[in-house]
Amino acid sequence: GENVEQHPSTLSVQEGDSAVIKCTYSDSASNYFPWYKQELGKRPQLIIDIRSNVGEKKDQRIAVTLNKTAKHFSLHITETQPEDSAVYFCAATPFTGTASKLTFGTGTRLQVTL
Amino acid sequence: DARVTQTPRHKVTEMGQEVTMRCQPILGHNTVFWYRQTMMQGLELLAYFRNRAPLDDSGMPKDRFSAEMPDATLATLKIQPSEPRDSAVYFCASGLGQEAETQYFGPGTRLLVL
Repeated sequence: GENVEQHPSTLSVQEGDSAVIKCTYSDSASNYFPWYKQELGKRPQLIIDIRSNVGEKKDQRIAVTLNKTAKHFSLHITETQPEDSAVYFCAATPFTGTASKLTFGTGTRLQVTL
Repeated sequence: DARVTQTPRHKVTEMGQEVTMRCQPILGHNTVFWYRQTMMQGLELLAYFRNRAPLDDSGMPKDRFSAEMPDATLATLKIQPSEPRDSAVYFCASGLGQEAETQYFGPGTRLLVL
């Protein structure tokens, strides 16, 4: 099955700086890579995703890049703000034919300091 | 704004008791996922359903856990008997059963087994 590794486990940046979180996956059949943000005590919420036919996707201050050859993908947050502080999870999935079965990374706790 | 709902939000019980968690997927979604989140194991997929049929429950301890979908608007996860190691947050998520689809998470049930 799929195995997803995520680094770093914790990340502290100053407000306004950029943050980068990296993930690697093992299953070359994986074709969908979402990123979820989870605030303390809340549900995971999708912030951005990328499909395997695209190398990069951007949404305002958030971007994701995908390198299928190397089997890694990254989340980039620019101009970080205190409200970006949360745990971020990457995930990967091949489509089983009936559903996208997500395998999650272990999470990165991002702390944005003033 | 359609959302996945879960009940109860919090549950404290004693070892050996039965626990039932409920999930109402977003109307029109035909795929339901159950996840368990702990500090040690992160987010783990326990089971998932499509059109109410169980597709994969390989992540679930079969001897004590059971998952069902009595109808399209209700999914249940039962633990009998519960054990302290079952203490975790249990999330339900739903989706449309399409390739590369977004999964929408419920608020979770925080379970503590004493």
